[in-house]
Amino acid sequence: SQQGEEDPQALSIQEGENATMNCSYKTSINNLQWYRQNSGRGLVHLILIRSNEREKHSGRLRVTLDTSKKSSSLLITASRAADTASYFCATDADGNQFYFGTGTSLTVIP
Amino acid sequence: NAGVTQTPKFQVLKTGQSMTLQCAQDMNHEYMSWYRQDPGMGLRLIHYSVGAGITDQGEVPNGYNVSRSTTEDFPLRLLSAAPSQTSVYFCASTQRRGGTEAFFGQGTRLTVV
Repeated sequence: SQQGEEDPQALSIQEGENATMNCSYKTSINNLQWYRQNSGRGLVHLILIRSNEREKHSGRLRVTLDTSKKSSSLLITASRAADTASYFCATDADGNQFYFGTGTSLTVIP
Repeated sequence: NAGVTQTPKFQVLKTGQSMTLQCAQDMNHEYMSWYRQDPGMGLRLIHYSVGAGITDQGEVPNGYNVSRSTTEDFPLRLLSAAPSQTSVYFCASTQRRGGTEAFFGQGTRLTVV
């Protein structure tokens, strides 16, 4: 399988704290994306980072990409209860296929 | 705009039955794809299409057929359902190949007994 791996599998934090999750992948990529999935729902796109970028911000989200280590991290600052969800990274190597990781389940305790 | 619409939301099939999961998008996206999501496995690509009349296999295509006769629709057919096909199925579309975000439907939860 060419799937990536997210780490940790599950994360529980207090509201207001920062949450960091990591993604490792196996092949060279064109870009990497992060998605959020609320329980029982479809995935929602959060942010895309291209292979020639090292860091990207969007609101309370910060994504880094290290292509030499084939890894990415997603930081959610000042977390809220509404951030409770599963988070997935997806890599695009050839423009045809996204390969999703196994996900990190984030619980933010009010 | 409705985005990506999947039907049905839930389905129970008996082993050996066939069915079609429907997916439609109203964003004029070129690229559409089907994934299955199993516990602990993330999402795995079943089939994808880069435009009307063009389809190709993903990571786990066995037991599934697709066609793309129009830009809007991308149905997934289960030929002879097996318990191993019990899963949640997601359809997604992107504006073009590579480099853009994917829009997902709400999913179809399929149980094969």
